[in-house]
Amino acid sequence: GDSVTQMEGPVTLSEEAFLTINCTYTATGYPSLFWYVQYPGEGLQLLLKATKADDKGSNKGFEATYRKETTSFHLEKGSVQVSDSAVYFCALSDRNDYKLSFGAGTTVTVRA
Amino acid sequence: GAGVSQSPSNKVTEKGKDVELRCDPISGHTALYWYRQSLGQGLEFLIYFQGNSAPDKSGLPSDRFSAERTGGSVSTLTIQRTQQEDSAVYLCASSLGGGVEELFFGEGSRLTVL
Repeated sequence: GDSVTQMEGPVTLSEEAFLTINCTYTATGYPSLFWYVQYPGEGLQLLLKATKADDKGSNKGFEATYRKETTSFHLEKGSVQVSDSAVYFCALSDRNDYKLSFGAGTTVTVRA
Repeated sequence: GAGVSQSPSNKVTEKGKDVELRCDPISGHTALYWYRQSLGQGLEFLIYFQGNSAPDKSGLPSDRFSAERTGGSVSTLTIQRTQQEDSAVYLCASSLGGGVEELFFGEGSRLTVL
């Protein structure tokens, strides 16, 4: 079945460092891809999404490009802040489906 | 409220007891989802509602788990005869339509079975 594999954490960075979280997927159809973020004490919320190959999703300085040839959707941010400390989840939804399949989550801690 | 509300936020119970977890979705959202997050694991899909109907219950781990939704709004997830392996955070999410363009999640109900 459809699945997502994302980079294991935890990841600890200094402020202004570059962040990459790898995400690859397996799907039989043409999935939409998502990154969700969970800040401490809050529910998961959508960070960005891409619905077709070569689309780039972006929000809050984060970017991810839907790469069909490598079945990847890596999350990047050029200069992280302490406020980016959170758990990040990669997810996919097949176009014929109505539910999200999530990765295990990557905990990111940014130190001042 | 403005967001998805779940209660209780924290529940500790003894093995063998029944528990009920409640979810109040965002007003007007027709789709409602239950997920489970176990320690170190990703989110595991449990059940999906469209209105009051549950077209997909395939994620419910056993017949001890059941869920209902009434009035196209509030949903209750019931776990009967709880086991220690049921310990997890149970997350509820809602969305405006049947698609998954954006799910809005509650903060979850943490269940601990002793």
